[in-house]
Amino acid sequence: GAVVSQHPSWVICKSGTSVKIECRSLDFQATTMFWYRQFPKQSLMLMATSNEGSKATYEQGVEKDKFLINHASLTLSTLTVTSAHPEDSSFYICSAPAGSYGYTFGSGTRLTVV
Amino acid sequence: QQQVKQSPQSLIVQKGGISIINCAYENTAFDYFPWYQQFPGKGPALLIAIRPDVSEKKEGRFTISFNKSAKQFSLHIMDSQPGDSATYFCAASPLSARQLTFGSGTQLTVLP
Repeated sequence: GAVVSQHPSWVICKSGTSVKIECRSLDFQATTMFWYRQFPKQSLMLMATSNEGSKATYEQGVEKDKFLINHASLTLSTLTVTSAHPEDSSFYICSAPAGSYGYTFGSGTRLTVV
Repeated sequence: QQQVKQSPQSLIVQKGGISIINCAYENTAFDYFPWYQQFPGKGPALLIAIRPDVSEKKEGRFTISFNKSAKQFSLHIMDSQPGDSATYFCAASPLSARQLTFGSGTQLTVLP
């Protein structure tokens, strides 16, 4: 139980375009979703916290206009990377608190901007 | 005060050996301490977790030791196997459903 499905697994996009990453909680209601970014051989860096029905809270240094987060329902949260540039290339991971299961993570999205 | 310090950065162990990874924290409000295993290109997967009311928790070959007074906790992997080769992250959070603070990660290699 407590599965978060994240799509796509990988995406390649051209510089200047936007990319949407989806995270769906399959068997529980995710009132909160955390979005992380991970560079190679580094730890997870929290980007933002979204709560269903309210605006996301962004960590210091994260551009909220570049990384748009929507959490319109209890089972879906999305991260849109707008006007992507090569420096946005990274591994993006979502996570949700799942009661007795602790925090469950999505499988991650490898974004490459060319 | 929000940091979780993890060591070593990398670890090489022979098959059948014991792998030990250590973490230290400063925030006394932390009350949930999970360990995650991450394979390349995958999201972290919960391995084992502990709360500060116990000093040790064991699940199969994996054991967490927790020292509340020293604000340290460690992961022991007994009888390490090549399939255990992955990156391990310790983490901590103050209350349920609050954000996790991650350690810097340990890349474990188990030699056959």
